[in-house]
Amino acid sequence: GDSVTQMEGPVTLSEEAFLTINCTYTATGYPSLFWYVQYPGEGLQLLLKATKADDKGSNKGFEATYRKETTSFHLEKGSVQVSDSAVYFCVLNTGFQKLVFGTGTRLLVSP
Amino acid sequence: EAGVAQSPRYKIIEKRQSVAFWCNPISGHATLYWYQQILGQGPKLLIQFQNNGVVDDSQLPKDRFSAERLKGVDSTLKIQPAKLEDSAVYLCASSLGGAVAGPGGELFFGEGSRLTVL
Repeated sequence: GDSVTQMEGPVTLSEEAFLTINCTYTATGYPSLFWYVQYPGEGLQLLLKATKADDKGSNKGFEATYRKETTSFHLEKGSVQVSDSAVYFCVLNTGFQKLVFGTGTRLLVSP
Repeated sequence: EAGVAQSPRYKIIEKRQSVAFWCNPISGHATLYWYQQILGQGPKLLIQFQNNGVVDDSQLPKDRFSAERLKGVDSTLKIQPAKLEDSAVYLCASSLGGAVAGPGGELFFGEGSRLTVL
């Protein structure tokens, strides 16, 4: 079945460090891919998305490129801030808005 | 624009008791979802409604869980009787749904209802 695998956390970084959170997926057809973020005490919110191969989603300095050949959608940011501390979920939309979530990666950024 | 509203935020019950959660989606959103998020795991879909009809409830434990969406707006999720393994955060989400939203359509989540079963 459709699934998402993302790197386990926590990922601990110092402020201004480079961030990569790996995500790979298994799906039939042509899914859309998302990164959702959950800040402490808040609900899940969409961070960025890509709906077809080679699309790059970006928001708030984060980027991810939909790579069909490697079935990947890695999340990157060039310089993280303390306020980026959160749990990040890689998510697959197989169609008809049915989402499959990864297990989440907690990011901790220290000053 | 008001977001997805859920209540209660927290609930603690004994096993074998019952509990109900309520969700009010964003106005105009046709599709409503209930997810279960166990600590350390990603959210798992329990049930998906399109207006007031069920689209997918394949992962809903129907012997103890039930959900309804009257008039295609608000929804309630009930657990009766609760088990220890039901301790989780129950997330409600909504989206425009259907062909309008397409495969890239965004889901909007509420803050969740945290259930602890003792």
